[in-house]
Amino acid sequence: DAGVTQSPTHLIKTRGQHVTLRCSPISGHKSVSWYQQVLGQGPQFIFQYYEKEERGRGNFPDRFSARQFPNYSSELNVNALLLGDSALYLCASSLVRPRVETQYFGPGTRLLVL
Amino acid sequence: EDKVVQSPLSLVVHEGDTVTLNCSYEVTNFRSLLWYKQEKKAPTFLFMLTSSGIEKKSGRLSSILDKKELFSILNITATQTGDSAIYLCASCHNSGGSNYKLTFGKGTLLTVNP
Repeated sequence: DAGVTQSPTHLIKTRGQHVTLRCSPISGHKSVSWYQQVLGQGPQFIFQYYEKEERGRGNFPDRFSARQFPNYSSELNVNALLLGDSALYLCASSLVRPRVETQYFGPGTRLLVL
Repeated sequence: EDKVVQSPLSLVVHEGDTVTLNCSYEVTNFRSLLWYKQEKKAPTFLFMLTSSGIEKKSGRLSSILDKKELFSILNITATQTGDSAIYLCASCHNSGGSNYKLTFGKGTLLTVNP
């Protein structure tokens, strides 16, 4: 059974551009969370989606947005990229929303902003 | 502000040594404490701790939680080079309503030399 998948694996953008990252959860999982992990730091919570609705949001600017589709896959969008957005973006899925302890992480998308 | 602090931030040991990694937390509406191992990209789950004083073991790894003093430790005995990784501690806590989120520490970079 496939785990959480993310695409692309790596991405290089320039300041001011826009980026879309994609995540497919484990089959049957309805909750998806997004995290940003800057080099040398632990992952920071960005969003949680459950049943296509935003259920939690971390301390990130409005340039960050996300959505979840009827098949429970998710996209994270970042507008007006800044150098500081360079990071590993992790997606995690869990079966039901409250059980974030049992979420499984994908391999991440490494974004470099030049 | 919810906070998870890990120490040390990095550690270099020789194979066969025993290591203790520390994690303290200050969060509202705490539910559980989790440990992850991150080697290249996706963090992989090690332990979930919800009750004080009950040790969880998996092979050479063990962990315990103290909810009164708000900390946890992760012990690794007879370390091997394959234990080299970043070890992340995360607090699962309520973020409003019935929503929960993970707040991570910065991680401890463990290097085990042969």
